[in-house]
Amino acid sequence: QGVVTQESSVTVSPGGTVALTCGSSTGPVTSDHYPYWMQQKPGQAPRTLIYEISKRHSWTPARFSGSLLGGKAVLTLSGAQAEDEADYHCSVSYNGYVVFGGGTKLTVL
Amino acid sequence: VQLENSGGGWVKPGGSLRLSCVASGVSLSDTWVYWIRQTPGKGLEWVGRMKRKTEGATVDYAAPVKGRFTMSREDSENILYLQMNNVETEDTAIYFCTTATFAYWGQGTLVAVSS
Repeated sequence: QGVVTQESSVTVSPGGTVALTCGSSTGPVTSDHYPYWMQQKPGQAPRTLIYEISKRHSWTPARFSGSLLGGKAVLTLSGAQAEDEADYHCSVSYNGYVVFGGGTKLTVL
Repeated sequence: VQLENSGGGWVKPGGSLRLSCVASGVSLSDTWVYWIRQTPGKGLEWVGRMKRKTEGATVDYAAPVKGRFTMSREDSENILYLQMNNVETEDTAIYFCTTATFAYWGQGTLVAVSS
C-alpha cells in the first residue's frame, strides 16, 4: 500500500474552475486504483461525489467531474459556488485495501 | 436509504466497545459494507470491509486494527457491527459505516479512548 497525496488547501474564485489532484506514492494512479472523491462540510459525514475515476452519483452536481491526468486522479470543479467550500477527500484502492489522502480544504473566495 | 450509527462513547485503553449501523432502504447483505473512521489529525481512515453474503461475507481489515476489531452483520435485523477489543488511544475517532461505492454514509459515532 502507498501514501495518497492531496493539496492541503486550494482557493478558487466564485464562478472559477479548479482542479484538485490525488496522487499515489507507488506510481501513477490508474483505473485499477478505483479513485473516489468525497466532499465533507463541517459537522457532516462525507458525501461521495465521484467514484471509479469519473462516475457520478445521482446527487452529484454536473459541475463536478473526475478524470485521470498526468498519473493522478483529478477532481475538476467548473463554475465554483459558495456552497462548494468544503474539504475534499480522495481515496485509492490498493488491491482492495482503501487508503485516503489527507484531504484538500477548498475555499471559494 | 438511511444508515444510523450508534454505540460510541468513552472507553479506557484495553477496553471494548461495539458499534452498530442500522440500515433502512438497503439490504446490507446484498452490498459491500465498510467502516471508516476520522480523526482530526489523520483524516479519513479505512477500517474494514465486508463483502456480500453471496461472496461469503469475506472481511478484510486495515493493519492498525487487524486482530483487535471484528466486523459482523445480523442479516435478519439489517445491522452491521464493529466489535472493538483491546482499544488504544489511537482508535479515538468518529466511526462511519458506508456502503458500496461509498454511496450512503451513517452520521458517525464518536469513540474516545482515554484513561
